Formats: sequence, C-alpha cells, structure tokens
Amino acid sequence: DTEVTQTPKHLVMGMTNKKSLKCEQHMGHRAMYWYKQKAKKPPELMFVYSYEKLSINESVPSRFSPECPNSSLLNLHLHALQPEDSALYLCASSQDVRLNTGELFFGEGSRLTVL
Amino acid sequence: QKEVEQNSGPLSVPEGAIASLNCTYSDRGSQSFFWYRQYSGKSPELIMSIYSNGDKEDGRFTAQLNKASQYVSLLIRDSQPSDSATYLCAVNILGTSYGKLTFGQGTILTVHP
Repeated sequence: DTEVTQTPKHLVMGMTNKKSLKCEQHMGHRAMYWYKQKAKKPPELMFVYSYEKLSINESVPSRFSPECPNSSLLNLHLHALQPEDSALYLCASSQDVRLNTGELFFGEGSRLTVL
Repeated sequence: QKEVEQNSGPLSVPEGAIASLNCTYSDRGSQSFFWYRQYSGKSPELIMSIYSNGDKEDGRFTAQLNKASQYVSLLIRDSQPSDSATYLCAVNILGTSYGKLTFGQGTILTVHP
C-alpha cells in the first residue's frame, strides 16, 4: 500500500469547471511535489513545497494553483483547464529537499481528463 | 544534448536472463542517481539509489555508477516477467534547485517467458 494517498483517482471535467486534487502523506516528510505525466513520457515537475512553503514553480500556468495547508496535505486547484492538460497528476513526498536526494515516494496518481 | 539519456528501447529479454539498462548524464558535478520502476498505468516506485562510484546491490538489482564516464546502469539478474515495466533513470543535476530531479525518457523492459 502506498503511503501517499491521492484523491480522486479519476476526474473528468469541462473547461469551465473548478476542481481540486488532494494528496496526503503521514510519513513525516517535509517536502511535497506535484508532477504531471503524459503517456509514454517521464514525470514532469510542476511544484515543490518545502516546509509548507512553495520553493519551486516550474513556470506552470496559473490555471493550476497549488496549496499546502499543512505538512501532511497538498492540494492542486484546477480552473479553466484545456484538453491538453489531460494527464496523470502525481503527488510525491520526500524527507527534506535540503538533503537534496531524489528519494521520492509517489502516490498512485489522479488521472485527469479535460473535455 | 539531453541532460539525462537512457538507452533506447524497448528492451526484450528472456526469463532468467540479465537485463541491462543504461543511463548517461551531462553534468559532471551531479551527485545523486536513482532508478525508478513504473508499471503500466501505475506510479513510479524507487528501486535503487546510488551516490558513490562502484556497485550497489539489492537482491536481484545492481546499480553501477561511474562518475568519470558520467554513466549509471541498472542490472536485473534472473529477470522475471514481473520485471516488465518502464525504468526511469533520474539525476540530481548540480546547480538545479533543491528538490528537482531530472528524469530520462525511460526504457521499456519486457521479460518474456
């Protein structure tokens, strides 16, 4: 069983909808990540939170809005998405970005379809 | 030149054989190297990390790092059909922000009975 839990597992939304993806971890990790993955491509980093503060935004369009309410939770708010945003959205956590390791624990992902 | 390159696949090996997956990286100062396995429709899972030159073994998996040649590999001994997956090489590129991993494009491995 994964220790990073993502909900929902599947989401279908229209271009005018507002929805949110949620992620939770209880490993005491202080870094949390959002990745986007398209079919047959590697994961693509979107955001990194370190100690509940946004530390990396990979020039992601503003229609994606991350939020880290506490050290265990990470949300991704979605608004006015485009069909090309359809992808698998992966949440991950790691012990501490300052250790500069790449030992990430991924959730099972939320598969998003934008109509 | 891509920052992290993996040998082009797909790679097909018979059950019981050794599967060899290769990865090269462009930044000589890179410090940390990882292999993730991703089954179709699933999320990536860390299977090996290596930080020092040489070999690191974990069960049927051996990671090999050669910083002088900027090369990292993953050997899977006694390959099983359950090893069929995409293998992603990932590197902490020196000079990038903490927390940023650079992934290779992945190599699809198929182990046939």
